[in-house]
Amino acid sequence: QVQLVQSGADVKKPGSSMKLSCKTSGGDFRNYGLSWVRQGPGQGLEWMGGIIPIFKTTMYAQKFKGRVTITADESTNTAYMEVTSLKFEDTAVYFCARGGGTDYKWFDSWGQGTSVTVAS
Amino acid sequence: DIVLTQSPVTLSVSLGERVTLSCRASETISSNLAWYQQKLGQPPRLLIYDASARATGIPARFSGSGSGTDFTLTISSLQSDDFALYFCQQYHYWLTFGGGTKVEIK
Repeated sequence: QVQLVQSGADVKKPGSSMKLSCKTSGGDFRNYGLSWVRQGPGQGLEWMGGIIPIFKTTMYAQKFKGRVTITADESTNTAYMEVTSLKFEDTAVYFCARGGGTDYKWFDSWGQGTSVTVAS
Repeated sequence: DIVLTQSPVTLSVSLGERVTLSCRASETISSNLAWYQQKLGQPPRLLIYDASARATGIPARFSGSGSGTDFTLTISSLQSDDFALYFCQQYHYWLTFGGGTKVEIK
């Protein structure tokens, strides 16, 4: 059974950057799309983007293009997401989620979530 | 963006009741829809994909139906473990989620 373990909670200042990690174990890393989904306080879910390690391709929601970079390290089965120019409204829980195949469709495995607070 | 509208926002139900949740897409998405359950402080859990296929380990009381723009998640007999937030998600064109339906105890 695949497990996704994310980095710990963090507090950031507006204008700074953050880099979150998501380590997978117990399953195939290369052949599944890995996405990042965030959830603002009391809000719904928002897909930010993803990566398919075997193809080394990334895809980003239009809203986050230019501010988000997703990478994958196959040697450690870890995916990363860097977000720059943080704003107060980036305060959210960030989840990594694995798709059902080498594409972006549904998500059958999720990390535990990383809480990020952007505050001055 | 394809907008998914879920209704109702909150549903108050009793144990054993049949529950029907709705998800409507702003344009046709074929059967490219998934449903998730989320409990407080936990990540979402995949229930249904391709509109009607039950994910691994999901009890048979959960079923999905619909295609095009109108979709339904049905819980045939609500159990105590089912009080949670439910989201739909489309993957027909990019990926978007609905706003969610909270199923609470009546």
